Amino acid sequence: KAGVTQTPRYLIKTRGQQVTLSCSPISGHRSVSWYQQTPGQGLQFLFEYFSETQRNKGNFPGRFSGRQFSNSRSEMNVSTLELGDSALYLCASSVGGANEKLFFGSGTQLSVL
Amino acid sequence: QKEVEQNSGPLSVPEGAIASLNCTYSDRVSQSFFWYRQYSGKSPELIMSIYSNGDKEDGRFTAQLNKASQYVSLLIRDSQPSDSATYLCAALGGSARQLTFGSGTQLTVLP
Repeated sequence: KAGVTQTPRYLIKTRGQQVTLSCSPISGHRSVSWYQQTPGQGLQFLFEYFSETQRNKGNFPGRFSGRQFSNSRSEMNVSTLELGDSALYLCASSVGGANEKLFFGSGTQLSVL
Repeated sequence: QKEVEQNSGPLSVPEGAIASLNCTYSDRVSQSFFWYRQYSGKSPELIMSIYSNGDKEDGRFTAQLNKASQYVSLLIRDSQPSDSATYLCAALGGSARQLTFGSGTQLTVLP
């Protein structure tokens, strides 16, 4: 069974640009969550999608948005990039029920210059 | 106050020893707890999950949960150099369907 696939693996952008990251969950998984990991803040929850609906959202500004498609694939978008957005962005998938294990993708390393 | 706290590292143990990693959480409604291992430059990998009070063993790993004390721990027996990584404790539950992670404990197993 294929794991969670994230593309691209690395991205370099400049301040003010926008970026879209992609995540394909494990087959059969309907929940996709996004996390930001930085050395200073650790792993922080961005949002979760289930059946194309945002089910939960963390404390990030509106510049961070996402969506989920009917095949459960998800995209995350960051607009008007800031230097502080440089981070590893991780996608995790699960079947979607309560108290379930999350399986992470390899992440997208975003550098904002 | 961070909702999930892990004992400060880094932690070094000799090969073959028991490594003990600890975690406390502040949200009493948390129901599920997970330990992830993250190698440098890699994504977190789930190694243990625990939902009920008591111990849960899986090979060389034992997770312990005490909900009354809001305490979770991970024991790694017969530690190997390949266990050297950052271990992340995470809690799930309550009204928010999100994992709350601790800051991680960096473990080094010395050959």
